[in-house]
Amino acid sequence: QQQVKQSPQSLIVQKGGISIINCAYENTAFDYFPWYQQFPGKGPALLIAIRPDVSEKKEGRFTISFNKSAKQFSLHIMDSQPGDSATYFCAASKDSGGGADGLTFGKGTHLIIQP
Amino acid sequence: KAGVTQTPRYLIKTRGQQVTLSCSPISGHRSVSWYQQTPGQGLQFLFEYFSETQRNKGNFPGRFSGRQFSNSRSEMNVSTLELGDSALYLCASSLFETGMGYNSPLHFGNGTRLTVT
Repeated sequence: QQQVKQSPQSLIVQKGGISIINCAYENTAFDYFPWYQQFPGKGPALLIAIRPDVSEKKEGRFTISFNKSAKQFSLHIMDSQPGDSATYFCAASKDSGGGADGLTFGKGTHLIIQP
Repeated sequence: KAGVTQTPRYLIKTRGQQVTLSCSPISGHRSVSWYQQTPGQGLQFLFEYFSETQRNKGNFPGRFSGRQFSNSRSEMNVSTLELGDSALYLCASSLFETGMGYNSPLHFGNGTRLTVT
């Protein structure tokens, strides 16, 4: 059972445009939602994370929007640059302190920013 | 500060053999988690160690095992390798055990690429 569904699988955006990646989760116990960025040959790197007590978090050009009632969250990359071309993973876990089942990841979105 | 270090980077093994992968966490991090990454299944949680104890385990067969040493370094072992075990194995460390993700995010290494022939 896939607990975090991510879309689209691949995305092509023009330089300067907005890249939007969406995720939906099923487990209402999840309360920690990070996004990871992975370049070829590298491990995933934490980009930005949010807790469900806020609806939006912004760090530079990256913004997470969170809709608790819909059990959905999304990543927006503003002014997308060729250097943003990578695979992006959303994830979720129970951030209840002490013991968890690890991060549950979405299947990833391959983002290409065209110059 | 050095990141998470995984060795070796690449490994080729034959079906039926066993393999041991190594991970050195970020200095001061006490938790080490292992994930398997494949094109079909994506990133899947294998297990987590904290203070030399396995705290959590994902849905993988008993052929997958691990351990953590007193210096927080960790090893993962896969016995009786199958073709389907070919994957990128990622180690991640965090300051505290998972379940405190926001205050103790996971930092991943660059992985060990295992190919089983």
